[in-house]
Amino acid sequence: SQQGEEDPQALSIQEGENATMNCSYKTSINNLQWYRQNSGRGLVHLILIRSNEREKHSGRLRVTLDTSKKSSSLLITASRAADTASYFCATVYAGNMLTFGGGTRLMVKP
Amino acid sequence: KAGVTQTPRYLIKTRGQQVTLSCSPISGHRSVSWYQQTPGQGLQFLFEYFSETQRNKGNFPGRFSGRQFSNSRSEMNVSTLELGDSALYLCASSPSTGSSGNTIYFGEGSWLTVV
Repeated sequence: SQQGEEDPQALSIQEGENATMNCSYKTSINNLQWYRQNSGRGLVHLILIRSNEREKHSGRLRVTLDTSKKSSSLLITASRAADTASYFCATVYAGNMLTFGGGTRLMVKP
Repeated sequence: KAGVTQTPRYLIKTRGQQVTLSCSPISGHRSVSWYQQTPGQGLQFLFEYFSETQRNKGNFPGRFSGRQFSNSRSEMNVSTLELGDSALYLCASSPSTGSSGNTIYFGEGSWLTVV
């Protein structure tokens, strides 16, 4: 069973707008990783944030982690049509075993 | 540096048959994990191997098995295939295991259709 929930399940925005996706989880974690998946393809790693970190940036991506609320968010700024994909958060609490949320389907309209 | 390579990319099997999927991790990576992705159950962890030893196992029946070779390459096998085994099978690799900061990289997956 999936540990986390992602919210919203689907998001549709215009190019240039920001997109925010949220992820909640249930148990203590070592780290949390965000991935992107284009239809029918593999997962592309976006950002890893450790349990002792609160915020990380990578290009147009910003990830926050609140361990007291057991939640994380992914912000994509100035979205592009090429950002259209499904986004997943995954938590790690043992070894390299990832537990995924259900994902957010993002559509960016040109 | 080449990414995680999975073969075959697509395959069709008949119920009752068995299938073997192969994964070559990123060079230097010693941890290999396998995941199943279906529309109904989402992404689920199958097992993780490190230095040829299974480290963790997900909640799947014994028909699902795997192994890792001394060069870190891994295979997973599904015996007595069922229609519900139709899925995208994803392999992931990481340099090591057990630390708080291992980035885990995925391959493109193997699409299995059971008819």
